[in-house]
Amino acid sequence: DADVTQTPRNRITKTGKRIMLECSQTKGHDRMYWYRQDPGLGLRLIYYSFDVKDINKGEISDGYSVSRQAQAKFSLSLESAIPNQTALYFCATSGRPAGNEQFFGPGTRLTVL
Amino acid sequence: GENVEQHPSTLSVQEGDSAVIKCTYSDSASNYFPWYKQELGKGPQLIIDIRSNVGEKKDQRIAVTLNKTAKHFSLHITETQPEDSAVYFCAASKGFGNEKLTFGTGTRLTIIP
Repeated sequence: DADVTQTPRNRITKTGKRIMLECSQTKGHDRMYWYRQDPGLGLRLIYYSFDVKDINKGEISDGYSVSRQAQAKFSLSLESAIPNQTALYFCATSGRPAGNEQFFGPGTRLTVL
Repeated sequence: GENVEQHPSTLSVQEGDSAVIKCTYSDSASNYFPWYKQELGKGPQLIIDIRSNVGEKKDQRIAVTLNKTAKHFSLHITETQPEDSAVYFCAASKGFGNEKLTFGTGTRLTIIP
């Protein structure tokens, strides 16, 4: 079984809809991250959490919110989706003993029409 | 904040030749520099990393060099093989306890058989 899972893997939605992307991990890591990937722009950090009570904005948090329901679960919400949020979204985790290495999930491809 | 620039954006090399990808960073406090490989349809995966107290690190056909004074680091792949075809990302962070990564924009490497 995959250590970092994301659901759904693909999602098509309409402008204005609220949508939630979910991430679960079995690695026992305390740190979790949400990134979006756009062609030519690389991976940009949306939000990150260093433990259950810690939530921090990344470089592109506007239009997004997150919830850390448990150490193993970190969800990303788009309150009112817009077309320029169409992208590939990745969840990642890090923590002891691996230290700095981040482990990525398989990604969620989101299309906002 | 940190800014990481990566070049080239695309690179094609003949199988068996070497490939070099270069990155520069802006924040002199950054001290951890990983390289990730992303294969089609998958999340990025760490292939090698280097810390600021080391100038070079090798792992079989892959090596990374770091020049702290110039604030640039490079990925070298020797004896390239078809399975090296992928998108490669460099990144920078301030190390353990502050693992927030800033990624470069990626290099699409194509190995020509």
